[in-house]
Amino acid sequence: GESVGLHLPTLSVQEGDNSIINCAYSNSASDYFIWYKQESGKGPQFIIDIRSNMDKRQGQRVTVLLNKTVKHLSLQIAATQPGDSAVYFCAENPVPLPYAGGTSYGKLTFGQGTILTVHP
Amino acid sequence: DSGVTQTPKHLITATGQRVTLRCSPRSGDLSVYWYQQSLDQGLQFLIQYYNGEERAKGNILERFSAQQFPDLHSELNLSSLELGDSALYFCASSSRQDYGYTFGSGTRLTVV
Repeated sequence: GESVGLHLPTLSVQEGDNSIINCAYSNSASDYFIWYKQESGKGPQFIIDIRSNMDKRQGQRVTVLLNKTVKHLSLQIAATQPGDSAVYFCAENPVPLPYAGGTSYGKLTFGQGTILTVHP
Repeated sequence: DSGVTQTPKHLITATGQRVTLRCSPRSGDLSVYWYQQSLDQGLQFLIQYYNGEERAKGNILERFSAQQFPDLHSELNLSSLELGDSALYFCASSSRQDYGYTFGSGTRLTVV
């Protein structure tokens, strides 16, 4: 689940293990979801996204699963590496982008984040 | 380099002062978003501009304002600064074809 402020959820794994980071989103009307990775001192970096008409999407070493019934999103990282250590945020966008006049506006709402630490 | 440029990277100022943060979006992106990230509030949406017009507003304080210029760069103005305004301020941009944002590396504001 999500926590507030300094008490971010944490996940510690060994190098080579698979990691699963979870996120509960709030808006049942959300149409689009994104996972971001934020390393210390840097801005959030896009990892993978998924539309609400899908329940699974795979990228390179990452998979996002969407369960709309329980409003749950997860990020799976295969063969986790020390370079994966970061804070991971899920974000939701309640605006159906193809119907938003062709513009991409629609603010993303971010979860509080999960700290992933990978031990060599 | 994400293509979104934010300046300055660090800013230290006194309470009551006013500062301006600048953002240049990725080439071709028309939308600019401003977010505030603090330890106790996470990433909070402030405001969005699209091609020079304000499109969405979040919990932005009245002491804060922003604008997007004809060349699409954006500025976030913070005035009457308080200690609690100390935070990372991120700018992000997106294009019509993008569904996600590209973030800049942020401006770290410290109010003393």
